[in-house]
Amino acid sequence: QQPVQSPQAVILREGEDAVINCSSSKALYSVHWYRQKHGEAPVFLMILLKGGEQKGHDKISASFNEKKQQSSLYLTASQLSYSGTYFCGTEWGKTSYDKVIFGPGTSLSVIP
Amino acid sequence: DTEVTQTPKHLVMGMTNKKSLKCEQHMGHRAMYWYKQKAKKPPELMFVYSYEKLSINESVPSRFSPECPNSSLLNLHLHALQPEDSALYLCASSQVRDQPQHFGDGTRLSIL
Repeated sequence: QQPVQSPQAVILREGEDAVINCSSSKALYSVHWYRQKHGEAPVFLMILLKGGEQKGHDKISASFNEKKQQSSLYLTASQLSYSGTYFCGTEWGKTSYDKVIFGPGTSLSVIP
Repeated sequence: DTEVTQTPKHLVMGMTNKKSLKCEQHMGHRAMYWYKQKAKKPPELMFVYSYEKLSINESVPSRFSPECPNSSLLNLHLHALQPEDSALYLCASSQVRDQPQHFGDGTRLSIL
């Protein structure tokens, strides 16, 4: 079962903030976040584990709400380089090691 | 430049041809993956190899045949493909569970 992402698309001006959400109907073990630019490979951003804390680097951070089976990716003071499609990938537990299922993606465009 | 190398970058083949996609990583990762990605869609998991053994097959048609000759190499053998198999085929690798997947740049496959 594919996780659900919202919004589907967002347009930001440089310096604005954005939040991308990822939710699952099944209990999550971990959530992966990747960014893919047009014509390029997906690039890893971060992984959040069940029981783990909020993570972040630079102006991108993420949280994992186990009760809601939801993760959120926070992009602050957006830069032009943040443009791309953001995918969350979910793992559901011991019976599905390595099985990361990606959500449909959120297209993010940062304009000057 | 990515640390996972995929060849060829582009491949055009007829429905009766046999061809192979190749993926190589020298990061000592123990898991390797094949994904299929259609335009504006997320990567879709096909196969996972863990310690050179096939651990996940996502009910992929038998016209796709994976092979892992050693811990650094992953092949995807193609035979009698259909036009709907045209897509970007991505290879990825990861160290252990809960670690990032590193993606190659992909092979863009077109079936005539």
